[in-house]
Amino acid sequence: NAGVTQTPKFQVLKTGQSMTLQCAQDMNHEYMSWYRQDPGMGLRLIHYSVGAGITDQGEVPNGYNVSRSTTEDFPLRLLSAAPSQTSVYFCASSYSKFTGNEQFFGPGTRLTVL
Amino acid sequence: DAKTTQPNSMESNEEEPVHLPCNHSTISGTDYIHWYRQLPSQGPEYVIHGLTSNVNNRMASLAIAEDRKSSTLILHRATLRDAAVYYCILRDSQGGSEKLVFGKGMKLTVNP
Repeated sequence: NAGVTQTPKFQVLKTGQSMTLQCAQDMNHEYMSWYRQDPGMGLRLIHYSVGAGITDQGEVPNGYNVSRSTTEDFPLRLLSAAPSQTSVYFCASSYSKFTGNEQFFGPGTRLTVL
Repeated sequence: DAKTTQPNSMESNEEEPVHLPCNHSTISGTDYIHWYRQLPSQGPEYVIHGLTSNVNNRMASLAIAEDRKSSTLILHRATLRDAAVYYCILRDSQGGSEKLVFGKGMKLTVNP
């Protein structure tokens, strides 16, 4: 198993550009989520999905869109990048939405918005 | 989600046991205690979780106070690879979601 994979590893955008951060998992996990981590801070939840076709907002959803058309993939779209979105983005997955399931995290995407 | 309180940082020596404390005085009866850690430049990784009883796995042990208002993550023999930020997180078992609420965590330094 490759686990949770994220692409790209690094990205530099200009203000106003759009892009999609890719996340995929090969463990047949129902639950997937996106977090951002700013320097010196813990992770904050952006969006999550409890299964294909179902998504919901987390703590900091503004400026981001998600969709979940397959179990494996959960892309995160930045509609119009802003410097405040400079951060490290982590995707995570777990077997189900129920508490107690271990969450697996990807290696992260480091995004800089100029 | 109920809050947890951890020291900002701790130091330990290689090959010695390390006890990482976490206070959660407002924990509810249905909250699980989860620990994750984040090595430098990596995503968080699961360490251990428990509800009431002490728990052991290949990575660590989790000791939960009888009143559940505090817990301690125990690394039995610290290695340099254990240097990381450790997060103590409460998860409501009735919440129906795997949302994790991360605080700032506690930075563990392991001295050779």
